[in-house]
Amino acid sequence: AQSVSQHNHHVILSEAASLELGCNYSYGGTVNLFWYVQYPGQHLQLLLKYFSGDPLVKGIKGFEAEFIKSKFSFNLRKPSVQWSDTAEYFCAVSSSGGSYIPTFGRGTSLIVHP
Amino acid sequence: NAGVTQTPKFRVLKTGQSMTLLCAQDMNHEYMYWYRQDPGMGLRLIHYSVGEGTTAKGEVPDGYNVSRLKKQNFLLGLESAAPSQTSVYFCASSYPRTGAKTEAFFGQGTRLTVV
Repeated sequence: AQSVSQHNHHVILSEAASLELGCNYSYGGTVNLFWYVQYPGQHLQLLLKYFSGDPLVKGIKGFEAEFIKSKFSFNLRKPSVQWSDTAEYFCAVSSSGGSYIPTFGRGTSLIVHP
Repeated sequence: NAGVTQTPKFRVLKTGQSMTLLCAQDMNHEYMYWYRQDPGMGLRLIHYSVGEGTTAKGEVPDGYNVSRLKKQNFLLGLESAAPSQTSVYFCASSYPRTGAKTEAFFGQGTRLTVV
């Protein structure tokens, strides 16, 4: 079975600071990896995804993530955050071990102070 | 293109009442899901469907039932609501008929309060 662990539950940053959110998954086979963002009061929107190929994935709004297979990790990064990045961030994995049903981490709440 | 549409958006129920949440998608996706979101718990899978006429239990299925009589619709039912079912419910869909990999597309959510 697959599972996802997000290590940072709450992160508080000032504008222009760099961001890195950790995500580890537990399935040893081929995986599909995702980061979603949920702005206050809204639904989940896709930030970026990895299916195969280049392990460095670029998404919307300046976000990127790196898939490191040996570490079972898919960490999210942004070099300079903005106040508008205040949101909850979810890492998700799907795989053949989970019938390709997405499994989500518990989320990381990011607050960016202006 | 509407994507994934959930109705209703808000609902307050009394303990013991029943209700059905409707999810409709217009992307011809095979897979559909119901998740609940609770503070600090992330999204937990309630039930899912991998095609018309099929359903399966997820991580937290107790107290819920589902049906997928039409490919575009996925209904979530609460037969006898309990306060523990107070939550935000999200429907999602993925995987077009072609089998191409996609992310899950989410509806706007239903905020349910059981008093």
